[in-house]
Amino acid sequence: TQLLEQSPQFLSIQEGENLTVYCNSSSVFSSLQWYRQEPGEGPVLLVTVVTGGEVKKLKRLTFQFGDARKDSSLHITAAQPGDTGLYLCAGDPNNAGNMLTFGGGTRLMVKP
Amino acid sequence: EAQVTQNPRYLITVTGKKLTVTCSQNMNHEYMSWYRQDPGLGLRQIYYSMNVEVTDKGDVPEGYKVSRKEKRNFPLILESPSPNQTSLYFCASSPPPFSEAFFGQGTRLTVV
Repeated sequence: TQLLEQSPQFLSIQEGENLTVYCNSSSVFSSLQWYRQEPGEGPVLLVTVVTGGEVKKLKRLTFQFGDARKDSSLHITAAQPGDTGLYLCAGDPNNAGNMLTFGGGTRLMVKP
Repeated sequence: EAQVTQNPRYLITVTGKKLTVTCSQNMNHEYMSWYRQDPGLGLRQIYYSMNVEVTDKGDVPEGYKVSRKEKRNFPLILESPSPNQTSLYFCASSPPPFSEAFFGQGTRLTVV
C-alpha cells in the first residue's frame, strides 16, 4: 500500500486567516483527489488533479499537484467558518480507481 | 437524486452476532467499494468490486465478506464481529475511469 501523509493533522485558525494543508508521499500517483468531510457525512470530492505541476482553483481554495506527482497542497485564502471540516487527500497510483489510498486527514476548525 | 445509501446509519451489536450493512447506489456505477474510517488512519479500503460478481480484497479485508449480485447493491457482511471492528464504515461508488468516489453517509458500528 502506498502511503499518503497529511500535515498538519489538526489546525485551528481565526476567520480571515490563510492556511495550507500538505499531502506527501514517496510514491508517484497518476492522479490525486481532495475531499472534504463534515461530521456525520461521507467525504465529498472537491477536486482531482492529474498533471504534474497542475494548479486548480475553486473559489478561495487552490490545489496544486507536485511536479513529480508525489505530493499536493491545498491552500485556503481568507478562511471562513464554513470551511471547517476534515480534509482528505487520496491518491490513485494507476488511474484504475481500485487502489485509491487516503491520507490520514487534516481536521480544520475556523473560528468566527 | 444521485446518491449512495447505506443502512443502518448506527448499529450496536454484540461480539459474534452476524450482521450485514447494506449499500445501494442509483447512478449505474460499475465500481463500488467499502472503507472503514478510524481516527488518525484516514479511510482504509476493505473490499472493492469492479462489476457484478467481481470482488477483490482491499487493504484490510480480514473479518469481512462482500457480495455483488446486482450492479446497484454491495452489502458488507461481518460473520462474527469483534470489538476491533468498531468503526465508521463508508460505501462508495465510482463512474469510469473510477478515480472519483461518491460516498454514502456512513454507518457507525459498535461491537461490544
